[in-house]
Amino acid sequence: DQQVKQNSPSLSVQEGRISILNCDYTNSMFDYFLWYKKYPAEGPTFLISISSIKDKNEDGRFTVFLNKSAKHLSLHIVPSQPGDSAVYFCAAMDTGRRALTFGSGTRLQVQP
Amino acid sequence: GAVVSQHPSWVICKSGTSVKIECRSLDFQATTMFWYRQFPKQSLMLMATSNEGSKATYEQGVEKDKFLINHASLTLSTLTVTSAHPEDSSFYICSAIEDTRGEKLFFGSGTQLSVL
Repeated sequence: DQQVKQNSPSLSVQEGRISILNCDYTNSMFDYFLWYKKYPAEGPTFLISISSIKDKNEDGRFTVFLNKSAKHLSLHIVPSQPGDSAVYFCAAMDTGRRALTFGSGTRLQVQP
Repeated sequence: GAVVSQHPSWVICKSGTSVKIECRSLDFQATTMFWYRQFPKQSLMLMATSNEGSKATYEQGVEKDKFLINHASLTLSTLTVTSAHPEDSSFYICSAIEDTRGEKLFFGSGTQLSVL
């Protein structure tokens, strides 16, 4: 039972354009959400997070949107850069338990 | 940001041997650490929650006798894969919560285990 789903395994975007990565979850106990970037054979790197009391959080080129009623969140990267090419994982947390549940990841390729 | 050091980054071993992976929080204390496993092209799956000074909590389907976790101090957790078999070959990642920095998890760089 996949509680966190990233339905797009890959995404290709032109440099300078917006990248939108989507994530859906099913567990209503999740109240904190995070996005991680990962390169092969390396640990994930934290990008941005959002609490369930907010619907938007922005940090530089990265913005995360949360739609609680739809149990959906998205990561927007604008403008996209070739260095953003990596696998992006959406993760959700039930802060009472403090362990993350990860989505399956979306491979982003930013074309120069 | 906070640093979590994981060692070794790569290990190849023979079937039947045991392998120990260390996870250290370098500049903060972590009462709770997590161990994840990732198979190729799959997501990270939580294996167990490691609590300093007490027994680890294992996720369903994870053999506690095979994956021994020890969290003897506030800065070190170890995962020992006992009697490793080829199906244990995977990428293992630890993470730690810095208790005063909210809910961000900091990840180690991972350990690629290959069992021949």
